[in-house]
Amino acid sequence: GAVVSQHPSRVICKSGTSVKIECRSLDFQATTMFWYRQFPKQSLMLMATSNEGSKATYEQGVEKDKFLINHASLTLSTLTVTSAHPEDSSFYICSASPRGREKGYTFGSGTRLTVV
Amino acid sequence: AQSVTQPDIHITVSEGASLELRCNYSYGATPYLFWYVQSPGQGLQLLLKYFSGDTLVQGIKGFEAEFKRSQSSFNLRKPSVHWSDAAEYFCAVVTISGGYNKLIFGAGTRLAVHP
Repeated sequence: GAVVSQHPSRVICKSGTSVKIECRSLDFQATTMFWYRQFPKQSLMLMATSNEGSKATYEQGVEKDKFLINHASLTLSTLTVTSAHPEDSSFYICSASPRGREKGYTFGSGTRLTVV
Repeated sequence: AQSVTQPDIHITVSEGASLELRCNYSYGATPYLFWYVQSPGQGLQLLLKYFSGDTLVQGIKGFEAEFKRSQSSFNLRKPSVHWSDAAEYFCAVVTISGGYNKLIFGAGTRLAVHP
């Protein structure tokens, strides 16, 4: 149990376009999902906490207007990178925790975004 | 603020040798601690976690970790390393901010295994 599906696994987009990444909890409900960004050979940096039915909570330094997060249901959160630029190229990973077990975090397989 | 420190950026061991990866945390109360492993280009897999109780925690793939409050440490160990253990290892701690639990990661330790 506690499987998180993340799509797409890889995406290449042109500079100036927007890209949407989906994070789904397949067999549990997640009131909270998390979005991380990872640069090559570096650690995971928390970008934002996605809360079902309310606005996301962004970490300091993360541009809210560039990284739009929507958590419309208990099983789906989306991250949209708007007006993407080459510096947005990175590995994005989502995480979710089953309701009632907020300390158990399951991660998606990640999305490699390349902006050309 | 809560934080996690992994002092070793890169460790190389021989196959069959023992392994210890260090993790130190900064947290006022009893921390919730995790060890994750990441293969290149992949997501994270949970190795083990500590919430309370027995300070020696057993995980998957033969890994274990010991919580030592006096040293603020949660080191990961394995008695005999296999070549397939080569990967990036992350220690993480749950923090509470803005009413939400958040998982904060250390910088990671890259493990290389020599045959």
